[in-house]
Amino acid sequence: ELKVEQNPLFLSMQEGKNYTIYCNYSTTSDRLYWYRQDPGKSLESLFVLLSNGAVKQEGRLMASLDTKARLSTLHITAAVHDLSATYFCAVVGETSGSRLTFGEGTQLTVNP
Amino acid sequence: KAGVTQTPRYLIKTRGQQVTLSCSPISGHRSVSWYQQTPGQGLQFLFEYFSETQRNKGNFPGRFSGRQFSNSRSEMNVSTLELGDSALYLCASSMTSGVYNEQFFGPGTRLTVL
Repeated sequence: ELKVEQNPLFLSMQEGKNYTIYCNYSTTSDRLYWYRQDPGKSLESLFVLLSNGAVKQEGRLMASLDTKARLSTLHITAAVHDLSATYFCAVVGETSGSRLTFGEGTQLTVNP
Repeated sequence: KAGVTQTPRYLIKTRGQQVTLSCSPISGHRSVSWYQQTPGQGLQFLFEYFSETQRNKGNFPGRFSGRQFSNSRSEMNVSTLELGDSALYLCASSMTSGVYNEQFFGPGTRLTVL
């Protein structure tokens, strides 16, 4: 059974600081997603990582994928309050069809 | 291009009742997946439909069922509601089924069971 673990689960940081969220998964996968969720809202797609060594950046967020280590990271640079949200990684297993297996989510709070 | 739509957005039911939720995928998308989100269990996969056929099913009891119509719209039904069924139900659509198809999520239906 595919398992996805994120850490930390809660992250409180000051504006202007950098931090990294980690996502580990248990079996081989061809695709990893990062999503953002605001309270009471749906999931907003941030990044799709397709292959080993993939790196994508959007604004203050950068995601990377190491398929050999079964690890993805979401790096936050110079955090701002607007980044406060819950971030999920999700993995599609090789034999899972379209089924996404999600991590527990990291609740990020950026304090002024 | 319109996104994924879900109706209703909010629903209150009592234990023992049944409920039907609806999802209209992005135009041209033929695969619809359903997920349940609760504070305790997180985001869990319910099932996926493609071309009116269930392709994949998560670990939920038989009270949870779904179907897909020829226009790709999908419904999920929960019978004999329990308090633990209170959740945000999200549907996601993709062009086709399979690992290489990005899923796009709808706004969700918030179900409260009293």
